[in-house]
Amino acid sequence: GQNIDQPTEMTATEGAIVQINCTYQTSGFNGLFWYQQHAGEAPTFLSYNVLDGLEEKGRFSSFLSRSKGYSYLLLKELQMKDSASYLCAVRLGDSWGKLQFGAGTQVVVTP
Amino acid sequence: DADVTQTPRNRITKTGKRIMLECSQTKGHDRMYWYRQDPGLGLQLIYYSFDVKDINKGEISDGYSVSRQAQAKFSLSLESAIPNQTALYFCATSDSDNEQFFGPGTRLTVL
Repeated sequence: GQNIDQPTEMTATEGAIVQINCTYQTSGFNGLFWYQQHAGEAPTFLSYNVLDGLEEKGRFSSFLSRSKGYSYLLLKELQMKDSASYLCAVRLGDSWGKLQFGAGTQVVVTP
Repeated sequence: DADVTQTPRNRITKTGKRIMLECSQTKGHDRMYWYRQDPGLGLQLIYYSFDVKDINKGEISDGYSVSRQAQAKFSLSLESAIPNQTALYFCATSDSDNEQFFGPGTRLTVL
């Protein structure tokens, strides 16, 4: 079966940095996505990694190590609006582009 | 105007009723997906479609059916709704292997 693990909740202070880890064990791998989801709203795309290394996009960075089955999302200079759930999703190794989602990490940003 | 729309946004129904959730997109994408989201479980794939003539079951298709009426439209039906189908339902679209774009969601309650 597919297994994607991420912490349930993390709390950090405004202006700080938070790192959300995601480990995966899946039948095939064809890329890893991070989505942000505010309560009751649709997930929105943040980042995509298919090769090992770091991808930087403004205040958000994502890292992938395929050999370790590991990724992290780094949020810098936290703002109150960053309080949301962050979903790690693995694209499985078939041709249909199916995504297997983790349960999400709820990030709470405090003043 | 939103690229991916879902109707209705909220629905309360009774056990045994037939329900249809509709999804429309103006992005011109071939691939469309239906997910359900339950608290603590992340997004689970119900059905997906590569094009109008292609329908595939996801990981939790029992109790659901779909129809791809056109490239832009993908409907999800619950033939006989039951209480454990109470959830938040999302439609998504993608263009080949790129990120998925999600609709605003339909909150369904089955009494």
